[in-house]
Amino acid sequence: GAVVSQHPSWVICKSGTSVKIECRSLDFQATTMFWYRQFPKQSLMLMATSNEGSKATYEQGVEKDKFLINHASLTLSTLTVTSAHPEDSSFYICLGDSGHEQYFGPGTRLTVT
Amino acid sequence: EDQVTQSPEALRLQEGESSSLNCSYTVSGLRGLFWYRQDPGKGPEFLFTLYSAGEEKEKERLKATLTKKESFLHITAPKPEDSATYLCAVQADEGSYIPTFGRGTSLIVHP
Repeated sequence: GAVVSQHPSWVICKSGTSVKIECRSLDFQATTMFWYRQFPKQSLMLMATSNEGSKATYEQGVEKDKFLINHASLTLSTLTVTSAHPEDSSFYICLGDSGHEQYFGPGTRLTVT
Repeated sequence: EDQVTQSPEALRLQEGESSSLNCSYTVSGLRGLFWYRQDPGKGPEFLFTLYSAGEEKEKERLKATLTKKESFLHITAPKPEDSATYLCAVQADEGSYIPTFGRGTSLIVHP
């Protein structure tokens, strides 16, 4: 059945480096990809919404130059955390939406040291 | 503004003790209401989508129902492996289709 894969599942990086997270939709076409961040024991916080082939729409307080989102195709969306800092450490999750179905990726645990 | 409120925040049950989780919502027009299960350190797992009042869906020990104001997730004879956080989300039928999530209900089922 339809699923969203997310890679990497966890990553540790040094402060100042950049990290790319990929989400791929399998067996369905995600026309929209929502990117969320989740801190421990807290609910999902929407960071941005991206539609295939167009620029992402960022939520208030989310720096678009720091969190670069690319949604180049109906099956692939990427989130790049640029110049990461320890406060960016979090659990990042994508949600693919085809208009009829929605599926979460398994999440990426980012730790910035 | 779309709103989703889940109750209770936390629920402890004994194995076999049936109960219900509540998701109250306000939305201009409902495109869909979603239930997810989330285990610690993992992404939410899709359970159900409900589209209109009166609709019901079942999966194993879980049954989701929907009215115009709320949804219930009924858990019949739960087992310890049902322990997780259950999330509810609504999606409006206009605008950007951004799902609005509740804070979730943390369920612990004791053996």
